[in-house]
Amino acid sequence: DGGITQSPKYLFRKEGQNVTLSCEQNLNHDAMYWYRQDPGQGLRLIYYSQIVNDFQKGDIAEGYSVSREKKESFPLTVTSAQKNPTAFYLCASNRAGNNEQFFGPGTRLTVL
Amino acid sequence: GQNIDQPTEMTATEGAIVQINCTYQTSGFNGLFWYQQHAGEAPTFLSYNVLDGLEEKGRFSSFLSRSKGYSYLLLKELQMKDSASYLCAVTKGATDSWGKFQFGAGTQVVVTP
Repeated sequence: DGGITQSPKYLFRKEGQNVTLSCEQNLNHDAMYWYRQDPGQGLRLIYYSQIVNDFQKGDIAEGYSVSREKKESFPLTVTSAQKNPTAFYLCASNRAGNNEQFFGPGTRLTVL
Repeated sequence: GQNIDQPTEMTATEGAIVQINCTYQTSGFNGLFWYQQHAGEAPTFLSYNVLDGLEEKGRFSSFLSRSKGYSYLLLKELQMKDSASYLCAVTKGATDSWGKFQFGAGTQVVVTP
């Protein structure tokens, strides 16, 4: 079945450690996105990529990094520079020119 | 920039109707989406409005007025499983930002027996 996968569903890390969240899609979508969601808040865009080997900062990119070496994959690294990394992270994708985004199941990151 | 406002929470009884309003101010507008999100899960698509008017899909309907910067999502014949957060999202149509959403904070709908 086609879809977006994120792993793991729950992730725990110690403060000061970098951590990479995976996002894979087999929908042949061109664009991929990373969002962060905090309790009681809407989704905020971290980074997005419309084509392979290119990506753009979203509204809250500081302390995060991404890569887009393959169309199917868009991993997000949460670095130690991110001051408050504990959150629910959602990956999404869509086809070029089609606004509807499809979301992965999310990864809940807790930094201890 | 874009500001998107929607109520924080609404409570309604099973079988009733609830209307969730969303107002937006944007420097560019292409379309408006409504997503449903259950706690701890991914948002799922409900509706998409590009033109003014009402779009109906079963128990859910969505309305858009571009001149007023206003939309609403209407949930009819409420069921307990409709208890969730409902997210309003606006997209721009610019070439460099197609598909890029600006989300509201979400409206938590609580359905009571």
